Amino acid sequence: EAGVAQSPRYKIIEKRQSVAFWCNPISGHATLYWYQQILGQGPKLLIQFQNNGVVDDSQLPKDRFSAERLKGVDSTLKIQPAKLEDSAVYLCASSKFVRNTGELFFGEGSRLTVL
Amino acid sequence: AQKITQTQPGMFVQEKEAVTLDCTYDTSDQSYGLFWYKQPSSGEMIFLIYQGSYDEQNATEGRYSLNFQKARKSANLVISASQLGDSAMYFCAMREGDGGYQKVTFGTGTKLQVIP
Repeated sequence: EAGVAQSPRYKIIEKRQSVAFWCNPISGHATLYWYQQILGQGPKLLIQFQNNGVVDDSQLPKDRFSAERLKGVDSTLKIQPAKLEDSAVYLCASSKFVRNTGELFFGEGSRLTVL
Repeated sequence: AQKITQTQPGMFVQEKEAVTLDCTYDTSDQSYGLFWYKQPSSGEMIFLIYQGSYDEQNATEGRYSLNFQKARKSANLVISASQLGDSAMYFCAMREGDGGYQKVTFGTGTKLQVIP
């Protein structure tokens, strides 16, 4: 079974530029998560999708971040314009929607450096 | 209030010894779950162990066990017979919610270093 795929693995941009990250979850996983992990901190949930609907985006800075999950499969996370504090690893994860279980499977992450 | 609290930023353990990593949580849900993940320096998040709130026995997976004390709202990870490869960041996480969606929140992590 293929794991969660993310790209690009690394991206360096200047502040005020834009960037997009892509995630393809494990086949059949209804739930998709985007987490932001700043160096030395735990992952922070940015947005969560159930199929192609958003169920939680309370911590997504909506003035600059956007995300979509078309057709309930793969997803893109965009930052425009980027700020220095957006430097982080962006982790995509997916899980089956199963009551009382639901281990998250993570991709390798996309490391963003904003100069 | 923090949903997940890990009070140990860093821990050292001698190789082959056991170590306990602390985790306390805060939720008003009756049904929830607790996870531990390992993150080596390479960055990937590796699932270690899961405990459901209704599970009566502590979860075990090989050298990993979860010491679940529901009344104290703690879910400590015990690693027995530490190995050099256990050196990594360890994150405690909680799944809350029922019905339509479940939210997973992570703690700030504990950096474990295994000494030869």
